[in-house]
Amino acid sequence: GAVVSQHPSRVICKSGTSVKIECRSLDFQATTMFWYRQFPKQSLMLMATSNEGSKATYEQGVEKDKFLINHASLTLSTLTVTSAHPEDSSFYICSTGGLAGPKTQYFGPGTRLLVL
Amino acid sequence: QKEVEQNSGPLSVPEGAIASLNCTYSDRGSQSFFWYRQYSGKSPELIMFIYSNGDKEDGRFTAQLNKASQYVSLLIRDSQPSDSATYLCAVAERDSNYQLIWGAGTKLIIKP
Repeated sequence: GAVVSQHPSRVICKSGTSVKIECRSLDFQATTMFWYRQFPKQSLMLMATSNEGSKATYEQGVEKDKFLINHASLTLSTLTVTSAHPEDSSFYICSTGGLAGPKTQYFGPGTRLLVL
Repeated sequence: QKEVEQNSGPLSVPEGAIASLNCTYSDRGSQSFFWYRQYSGKSPELIMFIYSNGDKEDGRFTAQLNKASQYVSLLIRDSQPSDSATYLCAVAERDSNYQLIWGAGTKLIIKP
């Protein structure tokens, strides 16, 4: 499998501030990472696909200028929520590819964001 | 629109019984199939993957794939209360770069 870490695990911020979430692949060089968002009692929603060394691919309806993704190395991708508002409060989860059989996603532990 | 369908549940199963979770998918070109478990407030964790027709067993878990009927299922034998979680089915297309199409998940409750 693959070991994925996320930091921070929980963040509370004021409306209008920006929050950066880090996702690290600890034992696998990931050319591709994924960012998801999950609201309470709802299913996973893919926000964007993060590609090392190139621009991220955003899903329809996700604002690329609001959710900035940087995948500068094979082990680190960051998601910055700019000018966060209460409606951005959610559970943000990253995943990365692993080596177990077919191409498999392994998830980080997630970051819970609360915007006041 | 490629879709993966799951019954949202909740599916209630008595402890010790077999829990059966089902998933159907729309794209015949799908190649790999995954089951993830997600506990409340936690991120998903991989349980099993399968890509050949038939059964694949891992401990108390058995994944079953039928490509002709376009369904994949997960059986949990000797269900335990700790198996209570939401189970997500995900499907990968041929040559996909790790990208998955996700079902909405089935909530499973194991009653002691």
